[in-house]
Amino acid sequence: AQSVTQLGSHVSVSEGALVLLRCNYSSSVPPYLFWYVQYPNQGLQLLLKYTSAATLVKGINGFEAEFKKSETSFHLTKPSAHMSDAAEYFCAVNPRTGANNLFFGTGTRLTVIP
Amino acid sequence: NAGVTQTPKFQVLKTGQSMTLQCAQDMNHNSMYWYRQDPGMGLRLIYYSASEGTTDKGEVPNGYNVSRLNKREFSLRLESAAPSQTSVYFCASLRGSDSSYEQYFGPGTRLTVT
Repeated sequence: AQSVTQLGSHVSVSEGALVLLRCNYSSSVPPYLFWYVQYPNQGLQLLLKYTSAATLVKGINGFEAEFKKSETSFHLTKPSAHMSDAAEYFCAVNPRTGANNLFFGTGTRLTVIP
Repeated sequence: NAGVTQTPKFQVLKTGQSMTLQCAQDMNHNSMYWYRQDPGMGLRLIYYSASEGTTDKGEVPNGYNVSRLNKREFSLRLESAAPSQTSVYFCASLRGSDSSYEQYFGPGTRLTVT
């Protein structure tokens, strides 16, 4: 069975500090992995994705994530937080079987403190 | 390109009423999906359509029906709304069986059932 665990439903960082949002997955085969961002009252926007190419993936807005198979993790990082990064972030896994539907984590709300 | 559009944006229903949520995409995608988003639970798949003419149940299909009207349109119907169906509903479409596997999301429909 596929599942995604996001540790920490709320994360607060100071402006300019490192952002680290954690995501662990379980999947019977190497999955495709995604991070989406959701700003208040909006839909989901893709930040970055891992689809079996380089394990370190760079996305939009300075975010990046590293696929670590041995740790079944896909943590999202950004070296320096900006006020505009305040949003909810979702990790998702495509188990590469059947319909290509996504299984989402429960989300992490990021607050950036000025 | 409008991407994925959803109507309506907001809706209030009384228990027992019915309604149809509309979704359309103009990206010529084969697969389309309906998710619901509830606080603390991430997004959960209701139904999906891998291609025109096919539909399948997702994780939480009870109380819903869908129609893949054509390649562009995928509607979600609540036959007899219940308060437990108060949620934000997102439609998504999939780019396809290439290296992307990226789902594109609509802006969502906020549904309240009283």
